[in-house]
Amino acid sequence: GQQLNQSPQSMFIQEGEDVSMNCTSSSIFNTWLWYKQDPGEGPVLLIALYKAGELTSNGRLTAQFGITRKDSFLNISASIPSDVGIYFCAGEDLTGGGADGLTFGKGTHLIIQP
Amino acid sequence: DAGITQSPRHKVTETGTPVTLRCHQTENHRYMYWYRQDPGHGLRLIHYSYGVKDTDKGEVSDGYSVSRSKTEDFLLTLESATSSQTSVYFCAISESSGAGELFFGEGSRLTVL
Repeated sequence: GQQLNQSPQSMFIQEGEDVSMNCTSSSIFNTWLWYKQDPGEGPVLLIALYKAGELTSNGRLTAQFGITRKDSFLNISASIPSDVGIYFCAGEDLTGGGADGLTFGKGTHLIIQP
Repeated sequence: DAGITQSPRHKVTETGTPVTLRCHQTENHRYMYWYRQDPGHGLRLIHYSYGVKDTDKGEVSDGYSVSRSKTEDFLLTLESATSSQTSVYFCAISESSGAGELFFGEGSRLTVL
């Protein structure tokens, strides 16, 4: 099956720092999404990207859909304590009609040091 | 928040026993999914449904079966639980295929001893 390589696996940062994480694939995706998971909860959608080259912001979050359709990145500016959690990238391939869901990266654990 | 309820939220069982996890939605979405989450593996698709009585296998379907007799309910069954099925299971729903925007439940933590 398709695989997404998400990096870094974990990040230890100071409050106020900017954060950058990315996802790459050997396959082309039609949609890229970024989710955040808080402890004990399900993932929540942060940003969805539908076009190659698209750059989308949601508050302090900015994500881009790579031109090659094989990568995406997520930036978080001026991190705050509530940004702690696991961030997942996900890609959707429509060759199967799209009904079979998303392929997820393994996640980036964001830890903010006081 | 999307109206998705998973039950039970926590379960401990013994190897060889059958287990059924339930996902209930109030959004009338057509598509429903079961994922499992394990350290080092992220989220992996087990089975999905694209309508009542319409289901298909995902990446890690061995040892699992599903049923969807009503739009709102999607059941995941482990016929004979094994320790390798200890995991956190997430149900997700989507209004349409191709949109990519899955909404997740809060998860069911299953421990198989």
